[in-house]
Amino acid sequence: DVKVTQSSRYLVKRTGEKVFLECVQDMDHENMFWYRQDPGLGLRLIYFSYDVKMKEKGDIPEGYSVSREKKERFSLILESASTNQTSMYLCASGTGVSNQPQHFGDGTRLSIL
Amino acid sequence: GNSVTQMEGPVTLSEEAFLTINCTYTATGYPSLFWYVQYPGEGLQLLLKATKADDKGSNKGFEATYRKETTSFHLEKGSVQVSDSAVYFCALAQGAQKLVFGQGTRLTINP
Repeated sequence: DVKVTQSSRYLVKRTGEKVFLECVQDMDHENMFWYRQDPGLGLRLIYFSYDVKMKEKGDIPEGYSVSREKKERFSLILESASTNQTSMYLCASGTGVSNQPQHFGDGTRLSIL
Repeated sequence: GNSVTQMEGPVTLSEEAFLTINCTYTATGYPSLFWYVQYPGEGLQLLLKATKADDKGSNKGFEATYRKETTSFHLEKGSVQVSDSAVYFCALAQGAQKLVFGQGTRLTINP
């Protein structure tokens, strides 16, 4: 069965800290994605990666960066956390074929104090 | 650009009621369409999909038909259960598997 694992379910950090969210997939998928989920706004794409060391900005990349050093791992980095980055973060992976679904992790609820 | 609009929630129904959650989209060409469901405390999981006009996706008693003429992909279920309580997201995909999501509809089913 497909598995996308996010390293933390809940995380509390302070303003100005550098925050790392980790995601690992076991399906050998080419594509990996980071979304942010906020009530009333659905899911918004932050960054995605279509290959190792390759990345593209999504709709809301400001204040975030990503790293993909290995095919199975995709990290989201908040360079200097701010309170408006308090949110649910969801990682997903996929084959790169548009008619195939993405597979999601359980999410990390991040609070910035 | 591409966009998805879902009916606003929250939606509250009694068990065994008929469910419709409306979804319309704006896109060029022929996107693939998806319904995802998010149960409390979990990530999203695929509920059903349709990849071309007039396709019907179905799963767990839910159905949705890809209507190109009305650019719609409405989700329906004939008799809902308490266990269907969740947040439902309509989404489309075009190229490189990038998804565009609607805002989500929270569904609560009362016994």
